[in-house]
Amino acid sequence: DVKVTQSSRYLVKRTGEKVFLECVQDMDHENMFWYRQDPGLGLRLIYFSYDVKMKEKGDIPEGYSVSREKKERFSLILESASTNQTSMYLCASSSRLAGGRGTQYFGPGTRLTVL
Amino acid sequence: GIQVEQSPPDLILQEGANSTLRCNFSDSVNNLQWFHQNPWGQLINLFYIPSGTKQNGRLSATTVATERYSLLYISSSQTTDSGVYFCAPFAGTGTASKLTFGTGTRLQVTL
Repeated sequence: DVKVTQSSRYLVKRTGEKVFLECVQDMDHENMFWYRQDPGLGLRLIYFSYDVKMKEKGDIPEGYSVSREKKERFSLILESASTNQTSMYLCASSSRLAGGRGTQYFGPGTRLTVL
Repeated sequence: GIQVEQSPPDLILQEGANSTLRCNFSDSVNNLQWFHQNPWGQLINLFYIPSGTKQNGRLSATTVATERYSLLYISSSQTTDSGVYFCAPFAGTGTASKLTFGTGTRLQVTL
């Protein structure tokens, strides 16, 4: 079974803090993704990566950065957290087979609250 | 970008009832996934279905790509089916291909 894990289920941070959200997958997947989920808006793609040290912006990258130093790990960074970044953050991974359109597998999510 | 519309937005069923959830999308797609998000927030893959029909137990899905819609059927619903169901088509090609999520159908199954 594919396993995608996220470092925290719940996180509370203060405005202006630097926040790291970590995601690890154990299936040797090339592709990794970060989404945020907000009520009424569904899931929106923040950043994705198709290889180590490679990153591409998704639909809402502003205020975020990412790091992928190892194939199995993809980190989302909030340089200076703001209250409008309070959200559920979900990480996913998929195989590069099928031209980047393989099944995406999701982690359990991190519910971040910024005070 | 592609627009994804799911209906109905909310659904309440009595245990044992059947239901059909619909997903319409505005553009040609390469593939499509259906997910169930349980009350704890975990997204679970249900189907990966570019076209045709697939069945998995009490659930089945049909995608008619030429008419830009997909349907998810839930038969003999159980309380454990409660949660939010998302449709997410793939669009684009190569590394630009990505999932676009609808806003979901929230299902509550009661005893």
